[in-house]
Amino acid sequence: GEDVEQSLFLSVREGDSSVINCTYTDSSSTYLYWYKQEPGAGLQLLTYIFSNMDMKQDQRLTVLLNKKDKHLSLRIADTQTGDSAIYFCAELTGTASKLTFGTGTRLQVTL
Amino acid sequence: KAGVTQTPRYLIKTRGQQVTLSCSPISGHRSVSWYQQTPGQGLQFLFEYFSETQRNKGNFPGRFSGRQFSNSRSEMNVSTLELGDSALYLCASSLEVTGRGGYTFGSGTRLTVV
Repeated sequence: GEDVEQSLFLSVREGDSSVINCTYTDSSSTYLYWYKQEPGAGLQLLTYIFSNMDMKQDQRLTVLLNKKDKHLSLRIADTQTGDSAIYFCAELTGTASKLTFGTGTRLQVTL
Repeated sequence: KAGVTQTPRYLIKTRGQQVTLSCSPISGHRSVSWYQQTPGQGLQFLFEYFSETQRNKGNFPGRFSGRQFSNSRSEMNVSTLELGDSALYLCASSLEVTGRGGYTFGSGTRLTVV
């Protein structure tokens, strides 16, 4: 079945790097996304990667994709207090026009 | 340009009633999807529309329905509300059906069923 897994919680100090991990199961995924959700808000698209890429960098964000292990990660450099939120990874599978989301990782940034 | 607009933002309904939620996609986006978010089940896909046609449907009972209009605006309807339907309902739009460019989400409608 479809199951996208993430660890529930991550705490980092301001200025450090954060790495949020995600494991997905559908090898036919075409695009993989990272979304951020702040309290009471919707989902903000942070970045995405096409399945034939290994890495994508966008300012402070770096996405790594290991298709063999079906592992996706999001690295946030120089983490700030404003980065505190829940981060969801999501996969878009084949011709199915739907996103399957992970359980979300709550990132806490401490001073 | 304006983002995805969902109305209303908050809604309180009584068990057994029905509710209609509205979503206006980003101008030019023809694909609209709906998701339900609850603490217990997380984010779950409801359905997706493209050019007024439902292309995909999630594993929800028939009480959940939707439609898309010729201007790409979409509505979803939930009939005979149950307490378990209390959730944040999110709408997303996409320019391309392939998913390239990503899906942009609205702020959601928070439905409380009492």
